[in-house]
This record gives sequence, C-alpha cells and structure tokens, in this order.
Amino acid sequence: EAQVTQNPRYLITVTGKKLTVTCSQNMNHEYMSWYRQDPGLGLRQIYYSMNVEVTDKGDVPEGYKVSRKEKRNFPLILESPSPNQTSLYFCASRGLEPLETQYFGPGTRLLVL
Amino acid sequence: AQKVTQAQTEISVVEKEDVTLDCVYETRDTTYYLFWYKQPPSGELVFLIRRNSFDEQNEISGRYSWNFQKSTSSFNFTITASQVVDSAVYFCALSELTGNQFYFGTGTSLTVIP
Repeated sequence: EAQVTQNPRYLITVTGKKLTVTCSQNMNHEYMSWYRQDPGLGLRQIYYSMNVEVTDKGDVPEGYKVSRKEKRNFPLILESPSPNQTSLYFCASRGLEPLETQYFGPGTRLLVL
Repeated sequence: AQKVTQAQTEISVVEKEDVTLDCVYETRDTTYYLFWYKQPPSGELVFLIRRNSFDEQNEISGRYSWNFQKSTSSFNFTITASQVVDSAVYFCALSELTGNQFYFGTGTSLTVIP
C-alpha cells in the first residue's frame, strides 16, 4: 500500500530536549516536505526536499533542521524544542511534477512543555 | 509574495443545502497551481483537486464542483446537497512555478447539521 508514515504519532517533551520525527514514504517519490498546522494559521511549510541531499527552506524553517540522506526518508529534527513549536506536524511526498498528487502522512502531534 | 485567503472561518449548513467555500489567492507568477484538501475530524489530509493556472475549466466531481476564475484570482469550491460526512476543515493551497513551495489558506471549518 502506497503510504507516508510518521513516527511518533504523539510526543510530549520538555524544552531543550532534542527530538527527531521520522518520515518515510514507499512510493519512490523525489519530493518530500514538512508542514506544521496551528489553529487559525492553517498549514505552513517548514522545509522541502527535491531529492537526496537537496533541501530548502519553506516559510517557517526557524528552529528546525532536516536531512535527506535516503530517498525514502526525510526526518525533521528539533535541536532545542521550545513551547512555540507545539503543533501538529505533517510530512508529505510527491513525484517530480508540480501537479502530481501530494500524499500526506497521518500527522505527529507534538507538545513541548 | 504568494498568499491564499479563506475568509470564511466556519460555516454551518443544514443537510441537503448547497454550500460554497471561497478561496482567493495572490501570486506574481503566471504559472502556478491550485489545490483543495479536506481534513475530516480524524485529522488526515485528503487531496480533492488540482488545477494549473492555464486550465480555467470548471470541474465537477459528483456533488463537488470547483470554479476557477483568474480574473478575480479565485478558486471556489461548491458542495451540492451537503451531507453530514462533508463536515470537515477544507484547505485551499497555492504552489508556485516549480511546485516546491506550498502556501495554504487558514482553512474553512464546515459543519453539516443533520
């Protein structure tokens, strides 16, 4: 089954404790992206990647890092989480063409205390 | 700068009524892409439709229809004969020429009352 998986689905952590949210897709997609969803703000793009070792900033990259060492994986790293990073995070993937369907993962709900 | 505005934060309708969700966008690009997504209460994001800026044909899919008007920079979504299962948050999104950067609206929460 074609899918995007994220782990963990729920995470409670404390300020400053480094964490990684994993994202993996099994569709051999070149493009992957991370978004955060906050009430009243919709979804905002954090980072995207066009292929292995090619990443770029979205609208709200501050406080986040990403890496793309393998085509199927695109982890989101919070080196020193802060309470304003409490949010619902979505990973997505898509083929190369802009009009191709972007498939979203199930979301990771993060609470930073 | 790209921007997507969904001015309707919340809408409630009675089942079987028609409802239109508005989406207005801003972009300086001549080539761009527009999308609608549905987020039901379970939380996942479901793709509904995509359009490129050169295709102004309206589209109908069952009870759903979309009206794309470049002249008013709008890409509105109409649900005909709404059903309770249509209750969800609906997002309009814009992607620029390369398709790399996405801009979502703030979403419209639709409640269909039985």
